[in-house]
Amino acid sequence: GAVVSQHPSWVICKSGTSVKIECRSLDFQATTMFWYRQFPKQSLMLMATSNEGSKATYEQGVEKDKFLINHASLTLSTLTVTSAHPEDSSFYICSASIRGRDSTDTQYFGPGTRLTVL
Amino acid sequence: AQKITQTQPGMFVQEKEAVTLDCTYDTSDPSYGLFWYKQPSSGEMIFLIYQGSYDQQNATEGRYSLNFQKARKSANLVISASQLGDSAMYFCAMREGGYNKLIFGAGTRLAVHP
Repeated sequence: GAVVSQHPSWVICKSGTSVKIECRSLDFQATTMFWYRQFPKQSLMLMATSNEGSKATYEQGVEKDKFLINHASLTLSTLTVTSAHPEDSSFYICSASIRGRDSTDTQYFGPGTRLTVL
Repeated sequence: AQKITQTQPGMFVQEKEAVTLDCTYDTSDPSYGLFWYKQPSSGEMIFLIYQGSYDQQNATEGRYSLNFQKARKSANLVISASQLGDSAMYFCAMREGGYNKLIFGAGTRLAVHP
């Protein structure tokens, strides 16, 4: 249980184009999903928290017009990198939160998407 | 101040031996949770173990155990009987209070040698 998928696993695009990344919880419903960014040999940096049916909450310094997040259903959140530039090249990883029997919220992560902008 | 500190950028261990990965945290919130995740070279973050601030006993999950020392604000991960497949990056993370956000440490790269 608690499987999260991401699509695509990797993408190469030209500068100026937009790229959409999908994050799905396959065997559970997730009211909250998270989007992270990870640069090589660094830790995960939270970009935004996505709640189903409402606007995403972005972390300080993350441009909401640049990184559009939509959480249309309890099993799907999407991240769109608009007008991508080479500096947007990174590893993007999503997670979905599930509440356990002891009321603990645990995040389960997708496999990540490696974005390369030429 | 760093919320989560992992002071070991890299660790080596011989196969079948135990290894401890250090993690210290900083919070003034009495309610918090501590997590360990494993990230192999494939990139996926794999949840390993969780410890709540009010838990009386140290968490254990198979070969993983969490050495929780609340007064010292440390939550070290102990991997027993290391296997070659344990070679990966390991991240310690904390969730404070009622927030669902995770704050990650810088990570420790573990290499298991045969």
